[in-house]
Amino acid sequence: QQQVKQSPQSLIVQKGGISIINCAYENTAFDYFPWYQQFPGKGPALLIAIRPDVSEKKEGRFTISFNKSAKQFSLHIMDSQPGDSATYFCAATLNTGGFKTIFGAGTRLFVKA
Amino acid sequence: NAGVTQTPKFRVLKTGQSMTLLCAQDMNHEYMYWYRQDPGMGLRLIHYSVGEGTTAKGEVPDGYNVSRLKKQNFLLGLESAAPSQTSVYFCASSSPRTGHGYGYTFGSGTRLTVV
Repeated sequence: QQQVKQSPQSLIVQKGGISIINCAYENTAFDYFPWYQQFPGKGPALLIAIRPDVSEKKEGRFTISFNKSAKQFSLHIMDSQPGDSATYFCAATLNTGGFKTIFGAGTRLFVKA
Repeated sequence: NAGVTQTPKFRVLKTGQSMTLLCAQDMNHEYMYWYRQDPGMGLRLIHYSVGEGTTAKGEVPDGYNVSRLKKQNFLLGLESAAPSQTSVYFCASSSPRTGHGYGYTFGSGTRLTVV
């Protein structure tokens, strides 16, 4: 019930294309859904996040689409650039005295120039 | 602003040795966390703390201990290292008072190899 399932495991996209990463969760008590971006040798960095009462959130080229009834959410990267090449983690957070966050397995994105 | 600082960055241990990983944050965050990252498994929560003097178990606590004697520091201990503890360890912090909702600030990690 605590799992967050992420797909695909890896993704290759042409420069200028759209990158799409999907995630699914089971526990309806999660109330915050962040995406993290990680470059090699670095720690993950918060990219964008959404609450379950919102169906979409856009920040620049990054958009989260959220489907509460299906318990699924996705990250869309528009006009993908080589600098977006990184590992992306979806996650889900429970606020139970401290913010316990469960991470997906990660998607390694490579944007071809 | 240093954010979250982890020391050491790299370490090689022999099976059975002990060590302590140090995490320090300068953002006055209440909550701190230790995660381990393994290929294909994402990040898994080891232990966390909601305040000075308090700790709690996460998903994979066995073989680890933690202490939070000061608000800015969170220590992760391995009493008797095993090869299965070879991993990259990340510390993170968060606060309900920031503008990031429940988001974390991560350190740059400690790469630990147990031989």
